[in-house]
Amino acid sequence: DGGITQSPKYLFRKEGQNVTLSCEQNLNHDAMYWYRQDPGQGLRLIYYSQIVNDFQKGDIAEGYSVSREKKESFPLTVTSAQKNPTAFYLCASSPGTYAVNEQYFGPGTRLTVT
Amino acid sequence: SQQGEEDPQALSIQEGENATMNCSYKTSINNLQWYRQNSGRGLVHLILIRSNEREKHSGRLRVTLDTSKKSSSLLITASRAADTASYFCATAVFYGGATNKLIFGTGTLLAVQP
Repeated sequence: DGGITQSPKYLFRKEGQNVTLSCEQNLNHDAMYWYRQDPGQGLRLIYYSQIVNDFQKGDIAEGYSVSREKKESFPLTVTSAQKNPTAFYLCASSPGTYAVNEQYFGPGTRLTVT
Repeated sequence: SQQGEEDPQALSIQEGENATMNCSYKTSINNLQWYRQNSGRGLVHLILIRSNEREKHSGRLRVTLDTSKKSSSLLITASRAADTASYFCATAVFYGGATNKLIFGTGTLLAVQP
């Protein structure tokens, strides 16, 4: 099966703890993205990566960090510096490196921080 | 207001009827894409229309693009209960360097009553 997997589906953490969300794709896509979705809002871009070992901040990168050591993997760490981390997090990938193509999304991780 | 805004915010129709959703945007775009999201799931790409195209069809979907009015519409014909979902438009806009990014609207929630 080709696609994007995200794990876990639900994640609960205490305030002040860092947490890492997993994203893996076997589509051989160059570009990968992390979005945040809050109720009643559209998706907002956190980070994106066009090639291995390179990534760029999106619109709401503060309090988040990423790595891209392998083409298939783009994990997102939500740090304790993120003021309001409870949200639905979506990972996506796309062929090419200029973000003009369609994006393929994973099933999402719902993070709750108390 | 945001780059992409869908109208209406919510739409309820009977099975077999047509559903029309509209999207307006502000800046020049490379292309415009429509996505579907079932509750609590990832997004699924439906259709992409380039800035030099005016209309595109895919199965029961028809998308139009009017760059002079900076607007697009998504028509779903002969709707089914399985079409119940949120629908998002996303505009691919220049983001600096040699890349673009997708800007998502807030979505239209479509409910198809059996």
